[in-house]
Amino acid sequence: QITLKESGLTLVKPTQTLTLTCTFSGFSFNSGAMGVGWIRQPPGKALEWLALIYWNDVKRYSPSLRSRLTITKDTSKNQVVLTLTNMDPVDTATYYCAHTDYGSRTVYLDYWGQGALVAVSS
Amino acid sequence: QSALTQPASVSGSLGQSITISCTGTSSDVGGSMSVSWYQQQPGKPPKLMIYDVSHRPSEISNRFSGSRSGNTASLTISGLQTEDEGDYYCSSYASSDTLIFGTGTNVIVL
Repeated sequence: QITLKESGLTLVKPTQTLTLTCTFSGFSFNSGAMGVGWIRQPPGKALEWLALIYWNDVKRYSPSLRSRLTITKDTSKNQVVLTLTNMDPVDTATYYCAHTDYGSRTVYLDYWGQGALVAVSS
Repeated sequence: QSALTQPASVSGSLGQSITISCTGTSSDVGGSMSVSWYQQQPGKPPKLMIYDVSHRPSEISNRFSGSRSGNTASLTISGLQTEDEGDYYCSSYASSDTLIFGTGTNVIVL
């Protein structure tokens, strides 16, 4: 059974750096042909993709946030970490991590964490 | 990179069928097998309903089906039920190696 859970600070100040950790179980980067992505959703708004990291350490980023985002993985801990620098109130959102099965060389998010609500305020 | 275009809301009566459209370009929806659909109910994470344009996860009801014509993907819900209410998002992987979500559609069961 695949599960994912987001963790990290839920309140950050403007200009600070947000660090979120996705801890998962039921799969491993060592198994290959999979990835973990981050998606966010501002209150009452649509989903927005942020970043994706594959089992082979290939990384993809949203062009609009590329300069502020970093995604890394710790295979031994079954974790993926997302950092977003220079936080602004418009970055207030629920942040989700999700699993993608890349076995057929297509990308879809089949398992999602419950999400972490992050507020940006001074 | 712009969001894929979906209607803001779609409504239908119990038992009816509705279709939600998702319009992109030849660089994403029209040229990618990685088109998927998600259902999101209030306070919950999104749930995968359709992947690879028209494939349904085993646990999803066969009342849900996906298709594509040109640069527009569609999600059809047949035999509409009250539990189908919620927001629906399409998604596509683009040739630029990025993932794009749609603007979202609120489904209302009358």
